[in-house]
Amino acid sequence: SQTIHQWPATLVQPVGSPLSLECTVEGTSNPNLYWYRQAAGRGLQLLFYSVGIGQISSEVPQNLSASRPQDRQFILSSKKLLLSDSGFYLCAWTPRLWGYEQYFGPGTRLTVT
Amino acid sequence: GQNIDQPTEMTATEGAIVQINCTYQTSGFNGLFWYQQHAGEAPTFLSYNVLDGLEEKGRFSSFLSRSKGYSYLLLKELQMKDSASYLCAVRNTDKLIFGTGTRLQVFP
Repeated sequence: SQTIHQWPATLVQPVGSPLSLECTVEGTSNPNLYWYRQAAGRGLQLLFYSVGIGQISSEVPQNLSASRPQDRQFILSSKKLLLSDSGFYLCAWTPRLWGYEQYFGPGTRLTVT
Repeated sequence: GQNIDQPTEMTATEGAIVQINCTYQTSGFNGLFWYQQHAGEAPTFLSYNVLDGLEEKGRFSSFLSRSKGYSYLLLKELQMKDSASYLCAVRNTDKLIFGTGTRLQVFP
């Protein structure tokens, strides 16, 4: 069966510090991968998605970036965090060949102080 | 532009039926999803409609009218554990565009 992992689960970082969040998927190959952010009490905002290694599409211009160094690994980064980067970060995957449902990881709660 | 509207909050009583509406205006449409999200947790998949009509899955049903840009999620025999946010999302090729969600509170 397929599973998706995210770490860390929670993170408190000062303004101006760097960020690296990691997401990995097991039990499948060639998935589409997605990064979302959810601010408190708000909907999910799509940040980046990837249909293959090294292929990244950015949805919202901001100080975040994403990379996909391996087929089942998706990384979200920032060089300098802003207060507005606080939120709940969710990684999701879709099996490209046999379905359209997105399956979400457990999420990372980031607080920028 | 992309616009997906849902009521912000709803309340209902245990054992009752509740309907959560979603209207959308998007540049593309390949299907509509409903997800459930409990506070502090990740969303979980409930239903997917591609064609017009009603899809039933246990206590949950979802309806789609593509010509009206309208969907609803129907929850029957409400239980306390159904207190959660319900997210409507439109699929546009490889992406999902989410509404802001409807927070449902079920009271005894």
